[in-house]
Amino acid sequence: TQLLEQSPQFLSIQEGENLTVYCNSSSVFSSLQWYRQEPGEGPVLLVTVVTGGEVKKLKRLTFQFGDARKDSSLHITAAQPGDTGLYLCAGDTSGSRLTFGEGTQLTVNP
Amino acid sequence: NAGVTQTPKFQVLKTGQSMTLQCAQDMNHEYMSWYRQDPGMGLRLIHYSVGAGITDQGEVPNGYNVSRSTTEDFPLRLLSAAPSQTSVYFCASTRGYGAKNEQFFGPGTRLTVL
Repeated sequence: TQLLEQSPQFLSIQEGENLTVYCNSSSVFSSLQWYRQEPGEGPVLLVTVVTGGEVKKLKRLTFQFGDARKDSSLHITAAQPGDTGLYLCAGDTSGSRLTFGEGTQLTVNP
Repeated sequence: NAGVTQTPKFQVLKTGQSMTLQCAQDMNHEYMSWYRQDPGMGLRLIHYSVGAGITDQGEVPNGYNVSRSTTEDFPLRLLSAAPSQTSVYFCASTRGYGAKNEQFFGPGTRLTVL
């Protein structure tokens, strides 16, 4: 049973479009992290959200943590080919022990 | 500062063979983990260690052993490889704790068991 569900699983868009990726759970997390992974490499941490309702921005990426700390979203504005990659959310349920979602594979076409 | 290193990068095994995946970090982190990544499954925790001499099981520990004799090294051992263990394996080292933690991943080992 997947504790964290991401949607969509695959997303292919044109350069310049906006997109949102969702990460949902029935469990409450003390924090939630978003990672980006490129082919042949390990995931790289983008952001950690901690407080319910928290919004963090990283250039064109906006991350939001749900008020109840059960869900999160990642919004990318004016996507670029360099944004292509696998985006993973991960919830912290016990100290440093993370539970990962299955990932969203994003392709941005020039 | 090399971060987290993993060897080998690729490996092909026959069913029943044993091997050790190596992982090392030079950041003096206490917490280290092993994950496997399969299509549509995200990353699943195999084993983790909160410090030298201490290890514990994660979500999918069966078929894998770990040891942590030093802070730097955290090898993962497959005792008798099975086709179901074909996967990409990532080692991670964690800085901080709780909401302040940040995981640093190695480049992965792609393992195929025939």
